[in-house]
Amino acid sequence: AQSVTQLDSQVPVFEEAPVELRCNYSSSVSVYLFWYVQYPNQGLQLLLKYLSGSTLVKGINGFEAEFNKSQTSFHLRKPSVHISDTAEYFCAVSSLQGAQKLVFGQGTRLTINP
Amino acid sequence: KAGVTQTPRYLIKTRGQQVTLSCSPISGHRSVSWYQQTPGQGLQFLFEYFSETQRNKGNFPGRFSGRQFSNSRSEMNVSTLELGDSALYLCASREGQGGYNEQFFGPGTRLTVL
Repeated sequence: AQSVTQLDSQVPVFEEAPVELRCNYSSSVSVYLFWYVQYPNQGLQLLLKYLSGSTLVKGINGFEAEFNKSQTSFHLRKPSVHISDTAEYFCAVSSLQGAQKLVFGQGTRLTINP
Repeated sequence: KAGVTQTPRYLIKTRGQQVTLSCSPISGHRSVSWYQQTPGQGLQFLFEYFSETQRNKGNFPGRFSGRQFSNSRSEMNVSTLELGDSALYLCASREGQGGYNEQFFGPGTRLTVL
């Protein structure tokens, strides 16, 4: 079984400041890793994913994430945030075998202050 | 291509009633998954259908059921509604079952049980 822990439930930052949203996972098998964003009253949109290869993954809207196998982490970063980045962010994993469903973390609410 | 659509967007029911939610996947996508999102439990996997067969099931009581039609459209049904069933129900589709396949989410159906 897999589990995902997002270490911060809320992260307030000022506009144009850098941000890091932390994600740790636990799994007995290899996994794929994902970050999704949810804007108010909308479904989830994929920001980026790690399947294999380079551990630094670039996604949409200027976000990137780094997979660290030894730390079992997949932290999301953006060097300079905008008001429009205000949303809830979810880290998720999916196993390579068996029931390949998404297992989500509890989410991190990112609030950008002007 | 049109995105994942879910109907209705909002629903109010009373305890004891039953409800059916509908999901139309992206054209060509054969896998449809359902997730329940609540403030307390976060995003939880309900079930996945692929080619009209339930492939995976989450840890929900038998009151939650679903089906998929030959055109890949899916419905989920909740019988004997309880207050705790109030949630945002998200449907997601993907081309295949592999965990590497991106899941595309619909906007959700917000169910309120009174």
